[in-house]
Amino acid sequence: AQSVSQHNHHVILSEAASLELGCNYSYGGTVNLFWYVQYPGQHLQLLLKYFSGDPLVKGIKGFEAEFIKSKFSFNLRKPSVQWSDTAEYFCAVNARNTDKLIFGTGTRLQVFP
Amino acid sequence: DADVTQTPRNRITKTGKRIMLECSQTKGHDRMYWYRQDPGLGLRLIYYSFDVKDINKGEISDGYSVSRQAQAKFSLSLESAIPNQTALYFCATTGRGFLADTQYFGPGTRLTVL
Repeated sequence: AQSVSQHNHHVILSEAASLELGCNYSYGGTVNLFWYVQYPGQHLQLLLKYFSGDPLVKGIKGFEAEFIKSKFSFNLRKPSVQWSDTAEYFCAVNARNTDKLIFGTGTRLQVFP
Repeated sequence: DADVTQTPRNRITKTGKRIMLECSQTKGHDRMYWYRQDPGLGLRLIYYSFDVKDINKGEISDGYSVSRQAQAKFSLSLESAIPNQTALYFCATTGRGFLADTQYFGPGTRLTVL
């Protein structure tokens, strides 16, 4: 069965620190990859997505993610975080022969001023 | 105005009661989904619907049922609520499905079953 792993459950950073959140998936075929963000008290919204082409994807608010097929990974990065980035981040994967989107368990990011 | 709305936003109920959560969308999307979010477990798919006549079970459909009353409305029911159904429930829509499209989420319904 497909699965998505986010090994960082809780990350605490100071403002201006660099961020990398890990996401690994288990599926051997072609996939579509997503990162969603949930700010405190708000609903999930799309941060960025990868379908094909350049494996380095740029999203909103300075976030980017790199798809490394050989490692089954889609890690999220930001060079310099801000307090307003405090949120929960979810990686999600869709295998292209299925209709389901599988979410990881989420990573809670806290950024302190 | 929000594209995806959910009612109620919060609900406390007792074991054995029937509960309906409602979702409406103004995006004109065909595809609608219900997820539940539990701490440490992320989001899990309960049911999804590709149009009014097409309803499919997700990974955790036991104890739940759904109704797609119209393209814009998709309701989730708990026929006899139990405490382990306490969770945050999200409705979402997409225009063309996972292959190409972003999921747009509602604000969530926080359900507590005592």
